[in-house]
Amino acid sequence: EPEVTQTPSHQVTQMGQEVILRCVPISNHLYFYWYRQILGQKVEFLVSFYNNEISEKSEIFDDQFSVERPDGSNFTLKIRSTKLEDSAMYFCASSVTHNSPLHFGNGTRLTVT
Amino acid sequence: ELKVEQNPLFLSMQEGKNYTIYCNYSTTSDRLYWYRQDPGKSLESLFVLLSNGAVKQEGRLMASLDTKARLSTLHITAAVHDLSATYFCAVNNNAGNMLTFGGGTRLMVKP
Repeated sequence: EPEVTQTPSHQVTQMGQEVILRCVPISNHLYFYWYRQILGQKVEFLVSFYNNEISEKSEIFDDQFSVERPDGSNFTLKIRSTKLEDSAMYFCASSVTHNSPLHFGNGTRLTVT
Repeated sequence: ELKVEQNPLFLSMQEGKNYTIYCNYSTTSDRLYWYRQDPGKSLESLFVLLSNGAVKQEGRLMASLDTKARLSTLHITAAVHDLSATYFCAVNNNAGNMLTFGGGTRLMVKP
């Protein structure tokens, strides 16, 4: 069964550094998403992306965050200057249409020290 | 603002017992999802419920939706250890896939 793949599985970075989290959505999916989960807490929506632009974003997704689909397969989340509170599990997801079920990747655990 | 509340947050039960997890949400929505998450793992889709009165069953899990009460339930029948995980409900805010998740119910099934 096709899967959403995310790399790396774990990223450790120092506060103030830039990080890029990478995702390869399922190939025939057109809608892409980033969610995050701070340890022990609920899953939170960050951003959705369709047709090479952001379709929705949450309050969490401020100017420090950006997303990009640099080629036909990858979908990336960049955090420009990481803060301690950015430490979380970041999940990429994709869906065929805007209201079909999401398929989540295995996540990238980001640790900011 | 859409709020999604689950209860209980933690549930410890014996194998063979039945129990129900509840998910309440605050505003009208056209879809409700149930996900399972094992520790350190991703979110596995269990059910999507689309209409009032919808009921779906998979093995020992059964989910239902009452859109008038804005309530979904996840019923566990004759629990087994393999069902130990955290279960999340999630509701979409709008016509898209901007989901608001509940706080999760951590289920531990003891032999």
